[in-house]
Order: sequence, then structure tokens, then C-alpha cells
Amino acid sequence: EAGVVQSPRYKIIEKKQPVAFWCNPISGHNTLYWYRQNLGQGPELLIRYENEEAVDDSQLPKDRFSAERLKGVDSTLKIQPAELGDSAVYLCASSFEAGEGQETQYFGPGTRLLVL
Amino acid sequence: AQSVSQHNHHVILSEAASLELGCNYSYGGTVNLFWYVQYPGQHLQLLLKYFSGDPLVKGIKGFEAEFIKSKFSFNLRKPSVQWSDTAEYFCAVNDRGFGNEKLTFGTGTRLTIIP
Repeated sequence: EAGVVQSPRYKIIEKKQPVAFWCNPISGHNTLYWYRQNLGQGPELLIRYENEEAVDDSQLPKDRFSAERLKGVDSTLKIQPAELGDSAVYLCASSFEAGEGQETQYFGPGTRLLVL
Repeated sequence: AQSVSQHNHHVILSEAASLELGCNYSYGGTVNLFWYVQYPGQHLQLLLKYFSGDPLVKGIKGFEAEFIKSKFSFNLRKPSVQWSDTAEYFCAVNDRGFGNEKLTFGTGTRLTIIP
């Protein structure tokens, strides 16, 4: 079974430039998550989708970050414009609820972003 | 809000030593508990998980964890570590029953095994 796919794996941009990350979840997983992981920290949730609907975007900095999951499968996370503090690893995860609140999230390899 | 503490930031052990990594969480409701591992250059992988039932959970590669509800803890153990266990280990918790599938992670413990 293919895992969560993310691209690109690495991205270096100058501040104020836009950047986009792409994620394709595990087939059949209806829930998709974007996390940000700063150096020396654990991942922190940015947004969660159930199918096409963003059900939790409370931690997404909406002034510069946006995300979409138009057909309920793959998703794109965008930053415009990027700031120095956005340098981090952006992780995508997906899950399929097995019932009674029991679900396991599976993570992709992440995109390592460096903003200069 | 839920918080997760991993008190050991960096642990260094010799091969064959026993391992215990601490994990404590703050919210006392019904929770799901996870340990993820990130080997050098690789992505986060599930090591083991607890949803309900037997509080002693066995995972891959000889790891196990014990859920102690009264202590809000979910410590990870392995009786004899190998050089290949060198990695970063993350404890994660989500709160069941509120439609909240958000995982709250600890800051991670870097484990270095000396051959």
C-alpha cells in the first residue's frame, strides 16, 4: 500500500515569495491533516479536512496561509507571502476512522521549507 | 487544551541497555495515545497505539508502552536497545468524544544508541 505522498521534499525561497505544497493521502483515507514542525518541536496541526470540508482550521494563520482539498483527495497548502519564521517542515497526514473515535494518522515525508 | 510532556530531551544509551522514555499528558478525559518514531532521514512512523483495553501495548521492533490513567502517563519501554533504534521518538495524544481528532505531540526525545 502506498503511503502519504508529498512534494516537493525540499524548497528554498526568498521571503515574500509564494510557495505551495502538495499532498496525496493514502487511498481511501477521508481525513487529511496539515501539520507544521519547527526545529526541535513536535508537529502542530494547521488544518484538518474531512473529505472536502475543512473542519478545523483554527491554527491556520489565515492572513498568509491557505489550503484546499477540492475533490476530497489530494490537497494543497499555500503560503503567500512567506516570512522567515515560516521555515519548518510541513507534514501531511491522513486517516480513516475505524469507528468509536479510533483512528490512526499516517504521515508523509514532509516538505522542508527554508525561507531566506 | 491538551498538552504533552516528554521530559527526556536527549537520551544516550549503549546497545543492550534497557530503555524507558517518559510521556505525560494533561487532559484527563478519554484519550487515544500514540508513540511515533522518526529515524534519521525518514518520515514519522507509528510505533504503537492505545485506544482501549489492556493498558500494556506492544508495538513494532520490540517496543511496548504502558498506559497508567491515574498518572496521565504513557511511557515507552524496550528491554534491550539496538544501534538501529537511534531516532527521535514522539508521544502524541488525542482527545476522544469531542469530534476532535487533532493530535497533540510532545517535543520529542532524541535517542542515541552507542554501539
